[in-house]
Amino acid sequence: AQKVTQAQTEISVVEKEDVTLDCVYETRDTTYYLFWYKQPPSGELVFLIRRNSFDEQNEISGRYSWNFQKSTSSFNFTITASQVVDSAVYFCALSDYNTDKLIFGTGTRLQVFP
Amino acid sequence: SQTIHQWPATLVQPVGSPLSLECTVEGTSNPNLYWYRQAAGRGLQLLFYSVGIGQISSEVPQNLSASRPQDRQFILSSKKLLLSDSGFYLCAWSALGRGSYNEQFFGPGTRLTVL
Repeated sequence: AQKVTQAQTEISVVEKEDVTLDCVYETRDTTYYLFWYKQPPSGELVFLIRRNSFDEQNEISGRYSWNFQKSTSSFNFTITASQVVDSAVYFCALSDYNTDKLIFGTGTRLQVFP
Repeated sequence: SQTIHQWPATLVQPVGSPLSLECTVEGTSNPNLYWYRQAAGRGLQLLFYSVGIGQISSEVPQNLSASRPQDRQFILSSKKLLLSDSGFYLCAWSALGRGSYNEQFFGPGTRLTVL
């Protein structure tokens, strides 16, 4: 069955620390997509990144970087030099080819303290 | 550019009352549309999704229903609300095609409290 596991329920860091949010997935599909979303206190989910299963190249966008490793079925998200504005719940998601839906993890709440 | 609207932003309703939440998308045609519910401190639960006008797939049996009367309009309804219907309701859209391969864009959400 398709599954996304975000084992870290909550992480607290002090501003300027680096932090990595883990995402482990299970799928039988050979073609699939992985996503990360941010949910700030306002509630709206903000799309961050989509990565397909054939592209294992790491991606960097400003202070954000993503490490995709098919060998360990992981798609981890690192925030470098965290800021208070990074405080949010972060969701990892996996495409489900058979049902045409996204499978979301349970989310990781990140709190960045000044 | 595409935008997605939801209203109302917040709603407090008594148990047994009806519900109607509306979602509209601008700037795109033939989107896939989704309704999710998020209970306090929990993850996202997909309630309904639609790939076209009048086409609704229900994910969880419950006292909620959804309709898509127009291409870019998605409505979530209930005839009689339960306490357990309280939560944060999010509407989302994705581009036409394999819904699971396209990123979904979410609206601002409606916070529903049933008393």
